[in-house]
Amino acid sequence: DTEVTQTPKHLVMGMTNKKSLKCEQHMGHRAMYWYKQKAKKPPELMFVYSYEKLSINESVPSRFSPECPNSSLLNLHLHALQPEDSALYLCASSQRDNVLTFGAGSRLTVL
Amino acid sequence: AQSVTQLDSQVPVFEEAPVELRCNYSSSVSVYLFWYVQYPNQGLQLLLKYLSGSTLVKGINGFEAEFNKSQTSFHLRKPSVHISDTAEYFCAVRGGGGFKTIFGAGTRLFVKA
Repeated sequence: DTEVTQTPKHLVMGMTNKKSLKCEQHMGHRAMYWYKQKAKKPPELMFVYSYEKLSINESVPSRFSPECPNSSLLNLHLHALQPEDSALYLCASSQRDNVLTFGAGSRLTVL
Repeated sequence: AQSVTQLDSQVPVFEEAPVELRCNYSSSVSVYLFWYVQYPNQGLQLLLKYLSGSTLVKGINGFEAEFNKSQTSFHLRKPSVHISDTAEYFCAVRGGGGFKTIFGAGTRLFVKA
């Protein structure tokens, strides 16, 4: 299994809603990442978990809350988002060779 | 700190023609270099990587890249492109031992019939 699976593929939410994005990998990778990608832009790093501990937080607003329940799962909890948070959210994982394996992404629209 | 510059935002090319997508990087430490491709409405997929060793690296779909340390470049080439190669291509750099992969702004390759 060489995939990173993200759910849901599409999410529409209001600014007062609470929702979560989910990511799962079964490649035994011990580093997992959340990236945010706006249209026609490169991915921007948000969070990195290494061995299920938060390793990097790129000064992301607290309305985004990551969680790594175990070595295969990564969640991104969303609360009180703004319309400018609408984007493609990409999950990735990696092992020692530093190659990122990406999921297909969750496209988020905030109304 | 590392940075990546992709010198062309868009590259239009005719089918079966050769193509080169240019990438320059800067870093004060040794780096790993990557090219990723993103097709519409999909995540990024690794095309090829340079970690060490031979400076000419071959990837999937007939792509190759050459690491040039003196010119701090990692240009991507393909001798003959197909319509299906139309996509966004990202050059990326990662410092050895770190978790941060820095992406260039991307180059849109558009292959015309």
